Parts: sequence; C-alpha cells; structure tokens
Amino acid sequence: AQSVTQLGSHVSVSEGALVLLRCNYSSSVPPYLFWYVQYPNQGLQLLLKYTSAATLVKGINGFEAEFKKSETSFHLTKPSAHMSDAAEYFCAVTNTGNQFYFGTGTSLTVIP
Amino acid sequence: GAGVSQSPSNKVTEKGKDVELRCDPISGHTALYWYRQSLGQGLEFLIYFQGNSAPDKSGLPSDRFSAERTGGSVSTLTIQRTQQEDSAVYLCASSFGISGRGQETQYFGPGTRLLVL
Repeated sequence: AQSVTQLGSHVSVSEGALVLLRCNYSSSVPPYLFWYVQYPNQGLQLLLKYTSAATLVKGINGFEAEFKKSETSFHLTKPSAHMSDAAEYFCAVTNTGNQFYFGTGTSLTVIP
Repeated sequence: GAGVSQSPSNKVTEKGKDVELRCDPISGHTALYWYRQSLGQGLEFLIYFQGNSAPDKSGLPSDRFSAERTGGSVSTLTIQRTQQEDSAVYLCASSFGISGRGQETQYFGPGTRLLVL
C-alpha cells in the first residue's frame, strides 16, 4: 500500500525566507514522487517530479526537492520565498501510474 | 494548445438527484484520471482510464458512482442519488499514458464544484 503524509497543513514564512514543505511517503516498491501546486482559483500544476534519476530534482519557480530513501521523504524547498508562492502544495506518490496517492496538502502563506 | 476542460464549473443539486460531470482531456492523451477533493482533504483517486484497457475503478466510493470514456476522449462521471457527503470538487486529469508507469505529468482541469443540498 502507498500513502503520503504532509506534515503541517499550514505553513507561514516571511518573504525572502526559506520555504520547507515536508512530505513523507510509504511504498513497498521504488516510487515516483510529485509535487503539485494549486494557486487560488486555478487548477493543479506540476512543480517537479522524481522518477528514479537524480535524487535532487529541480522544478519551476526555483523550487527543488530531494528524494531520501532512508528517510522515505521528498521535502520541497525554496531558498527565498516570494509573495507569488502563496498557494496550496500537494505531494503525490505512485508506483504503477494507475493510482496516485495525494497528501492532504499544505497551505503556504508568505508574509510581506 | 487547449488544456483539460471540465463542465460545468459549478453544480448545485438536491439530495437524491443524479448528476453528470464532463471532462475533455488534452488531445492525444490516452490516460485520464478522476479525483475528488473534499474540503480540508487531499485528492482522492476515483478512476483511471488508459486507452482501450478496462478502467481501474478501485477508487470509486460506492456503486452510485460510475464513469465512462467514449471514443478514448471525453469522459463523464455520473453520481446517482446524490448525498450531501458527495459535495466536493471533482477534478479530471490527463496524461500521454505512454509509459504506463507513472512517470508522466498529469495535466489537471479546473474542476467541477458540486454542492448537494
């Protein structure tokens, strides 16, 4: 069985500060991992994905995530938060492509 | 090019009525997914279509839920005898579906917000 846990349903950071959104997964086989972002009143869009190549994955808008098998984690980071980063972020896992398991989401607030 | 489109964008219905939600995937995408996003919850997988293969219906919460995909393109999610707990945003996504191993990016539609009174 697969599942995703996102610690912290709400995260607030100051503009210019480090963004760290946590994602831990469980999977019996090597997974594919994704981060999606949902801006207010918009659909989900892909930020980045891990597909068993490099463990450090770079995505759009300066975000990156590191796959750590020993910790079963895929945390999302950005060195310096921007006001436009305020959104809902979802981590997802699959190993078959049939079923994707999404976390409950983390709402990011950026304080000016 | 055009993205995934869904209609209607909002639907209000009365308990016990049937509703149909439509999804138009990106042209050329063979894989299509339906999800449900309830308030304060993550996305819940409902059903997956891949080409002409039998759909993976394992996520459908009850037999009141069904989905079709005609001609490998447009999909309709039907909820019969709606209940208040069916109120949620229903999201559709599509992908090329070539690898079949989950490596591909899913492109999401804007969703249909369903409210059952």
